[in-house]
Amino acid sequence: DARVTQTPRHKVTEMGQEVTMRCQPILGHNTVFWYRQTMMQGLELLAYFRNRAPLDDSGMPKDRFSAEMPDATLATLKIQPSEPRDSAVYFCASGPPGDPANTGELFFGEGSRLTVL
Amino acid sequence: RKEVEQDPGPFNVPEGATVAFNCTYSNSASQSFFWYRQDCRKEPKLLMSVYSSGNEDGRFTAQLNRASQYISLLIRDSKLSDSATYLCVVERSYNTDKLIFGTGTRLQVFP
Repeated sequence: DARVTQTPRHKVTEMGQEVTMRCQPILGHNTVFWYRQTMMQGLELLAYFRNRAPLDDSGMPKDRFSAEMPDATLATLKIQPSEPRDSAVYFCASGPPGDPANTGELFFGEGSRLTVL
Repeated sequence: RKEVEQDPGPFNVPEGATVAFNCTYSNSASQSFFWYRQDCRKEPKLLMSVYSSGNEDGRFTAQLNRASQYISLLIRDSKLSDSATYLCVVERSYNTDKLIFGTGTRLQVFP
């Protein structure tokens, strides 16, 4: 069963520390999205890539967040320095070739639950 | 105003009941609409697309009202397994790939 893999599943860290979350999209998928989910805001789109190229990261706080796709099998989301307000579940999702907005078919990983103390 | 708004609920309904959720969106240029389902502490999964003419998938019916900018999800004959959070999803604007999620409506079906 093909699935999106995210690591770590859980992370507890102290304010000011660097956090890196990783995502392995489904093989053959060419769009990758990063979302953040909190109770208050729901799922917020942070960034997305098509064919490894960043198309939009306007939802991301630029001063501390960065997203990259060093290769087709790995996407990373980095927070440096982390703050308590970054505590959330971070989801990575990938989409098959075509237009995800037409099919709505995004496949989500299980998420990385981040707690910043 | 949020781009996508939903009543958070919870909607508590007995098994067998019919329940409906609405969702409003702010961008009239949006063309694509979907419902996702998210179980507690799990990832969201696509439930169904919402077509202009409305569409049905078993006990689930989705409808779109462009004039009023809202979409709806109707669940008939509710099952205990329908208990979840239902997320309304809208493409931010035409041909952008950006899928914007509502905060979700929680449904709890009781015996």
